[in-house]
Amino acid sequence: DVVLTQTPSTLSATIGQSVSISCRSSQSLLDSARNTYLYWYLQRPGQSPQLLIYLVSNLGSGVPNRFSGSGSGTDFTLKISGVEAEDLGVYHCMQATHAWTFGGGTKLELK
Amino acid sequence: QVQLKESGPVLVQASETLSLTCTVSGFSLTTFGVIWVRQPPGKGLEWMAIIWNNGNTDYNSTLKSRLSIDRDTSKSQVFLKMNSLQTDDTAIYYCTREDYWGQGVMVTVSS
Repeated sequence: DVVLTQTPSTLSATIGQSVSISCRSSQSLLDSARNTYLYWYLQRPGQSPQLLIYLVSNLGSGVPNRFSGSGSGTDFTLKISGVEAEDLGVYHCMQATHAWTFGGGTKLELK
Repeated sequence: QVQLKESGPVLVQASETLSLTCTVSGFSLTTFGVIWVRQPPGKGLEWMAIIWNNGNTDYNSTLKSRLSIDRDTSKSQVFLKMNSLQTDDTAIYYCTREDYWGQGVMVTVSS
């Protein structure tokens, strides 16, 4: 089974700071059709996850452009360019190339 | 607009069978697959099962022997059944289309 390792597990940031979260896969997420099914979600306290990024780097509907995704193969990154208060919560990466698995989550909190 | 809503019992006895329903609107189950994901309190997300748009199904290998997923396209409903419940099955159960998630239903398994 594919294992996704997210780092860091906790991230402390000030408002306006830019931060990055890493998601590493135990195997390549590139499929035979050359698609990479890597997603990023934000789960605010008490809420269900909401889609931020799909297919590595595509912004979800209504998602602010301070969020960006990058990477390929086994290494992926979510960047927030200028953290805002509404961005606090737990970030999850998910792969859907080899069934589905989730990373362990990264909690973004205020410093 | 696209919506998914989970329903089911909030309390189940250990060794019993859990039956959950996901009612969707704003899209057809013959166009999009639906996935079940669970999240134990304070923990990460775990994929459980998917029913594809063509009706085919796939299961998490660690849960496969206990799960059954089905649908009624005329009612826009997806059903998940899990047997032999234990206390560590206590979790929030979500249905999702990957880009949209339901609010989740908290299920507690009592011994």
